[in-house]
Amino acid sequence: ELKVEQNPLFLSMQEGKNYTIYCNYSTTSDRLYWYRQDPGKSLESLFVLLSNGAVKQEGRLMASLDTKARLSTLHITAAVHDLSATYFCAVPDFGNEKLTFGTGTRLTIIP
Amino acid sequence: GAVVSQHPSWVICKSGTSVKIECRSLDFQATTMFWYRQFPKQSLMLMATSNEGSKATYEQGVEKDKFLINHASLTLSTLTVTSAHPEDSSFYICSARKVSSNQPQHFGDGTRLSIL
Repeated sequence: ELKVEQNPLFLSMQEGKNYTIYCNYSTTSDRLYWYRQDPGKSLESLFVLLSNGAVKQEGRLMASLDTKARLSTLHITAAVHDLSATYFCAVPDFGNEKLTFGTGTRLTIIP
Repeated sequence: GAVVSQHPSWVICKSGTSVKIECRSLDFQATTMFWYRQFPKQSLMLMATSNEGSKATYEQGVEKDKFLINHASLTLSTLTVTSAHPEDSSFYICSARKVSSNQPQHFGDGTRLSIL
């Protein structure tokens, strides 16, 4: 059974600081997704990581994937208040699209 | 714009009522759609995989007779919560992905179900 863990679960940080969220998964997968969820809203796709060593950046967020270590990171650079949200990683079962979501990281950026 | 439309956004109804939620892919055909449930402050849990033209595949612990799924066309899947009770109150989200693409699953806006 695929298990996906995220750390930390909660993160409160000041504007301007950097931090990394970690996503570990338990079985082989060739892809990993990062999503953002604002309170009361559905999921917004952030990144699709398709291969080992993949790195993608959008604004102050950068995601990477190490399939050998079964680890993905989401790095926040010089955080701003608008980034406050819950971030989920999600891993598909190998060979199909059933997603297992991580526990989520609730990020609060303090002015 | 949205590529997956979910309706309704919010439902409040009395215990014992059956509630139908629709999920539509707007500009692509989806032979497979997914239904998730999210309780407050928790992650998304996959309930079932909706397969066009055949029976849905339910995850362990999800009651088939309670959560009826119909995927009658390539752009529409419905989830009916039958005889809903307060413990069924949750945020229900559907998703779909364009076949043979590397795009992520697109999620509907979700349906907040409150059973009194």
